Amino acid sequence: QQPVQSPQAVILREGEDAVINCSSSKALYSVHWYRQKHGEAPVFLMILLKGGEQKGHDKISASFNEKKQQSSLYLTASQLSYSGTYFCGTGGGTGTASKLTFGTGTRLQVTL
Amino acid sequence: DAGVIQSPRHEVTEMGQEVTLRCKPISGHNSLFWYRQTMMRGLELLIYFNNNVPIDDSGMPEDRFSAKMPNASFSTLKIQPSEPRDSAVYFCASSLGFRNEQFFGPGTRLTVL
Repeated sequence: QQPVQSPQAVILREGEDAVINCSSSKALYSVHWYRQKHGEAPVFLMILLKGGEQKGHDKISASFNEKKQQSSLYLTASQLSYSGTYFCGTGGGTGTASKLTFGTGTRLQVTL
Repeated sequence: DAGVIQSPRHEVTEMGQEVTLRCKPISGHNSLFWYRQTMMRGLELLIYFNNNVPIDDSGMPEDRFSAKMPNASFSTLKIQPSEPRDSAVYFCASSLGFRNEQFFGPGTRLTVL
């Protein structure tokens, strides 16, 4: 089942903050976050693993609540370059951790 | 590093024709993924390989779709015969195991008329 992302879309002024949420009905081993600009491929932002390990860009932060099967991506002091569609991809147990199921995306637009 | 390489970047074909999409993963990566992206269904995993072996092909829509990975540096996704509903952007991605990020190729935009 596809994870649910919220909000579906958000418009920010440059410098404002945003939180994007990802919720799954299944137990999670990993959560990946990607950003995709129109006409381009998804680009990696952050990976969060069960047990607390995280990898990602310095300017991006995220949380992973294993019990609630939820993850949130925090975008602070947004820049115009943050515009795009954000996807979370969730991975299951260790046997299927590579198999990511992506959410429907959150469209973010940052304006001046 | 050249990143994940996909070819062709665009493909326009007629219904019933065979289509072959190609992917070269990042050198040293041992996992390879084929995704399809459409407005209606979003980003869907079709199949993934680990060490050249297909691990999960449950996302392959039907028997018209097949994928191979004959060696660590090359994979193909074939659609035979193609149908208009196969029109989508097909992405190939690679990673170094499941604990690391997936790197996506630029995609192949397929249009079936």
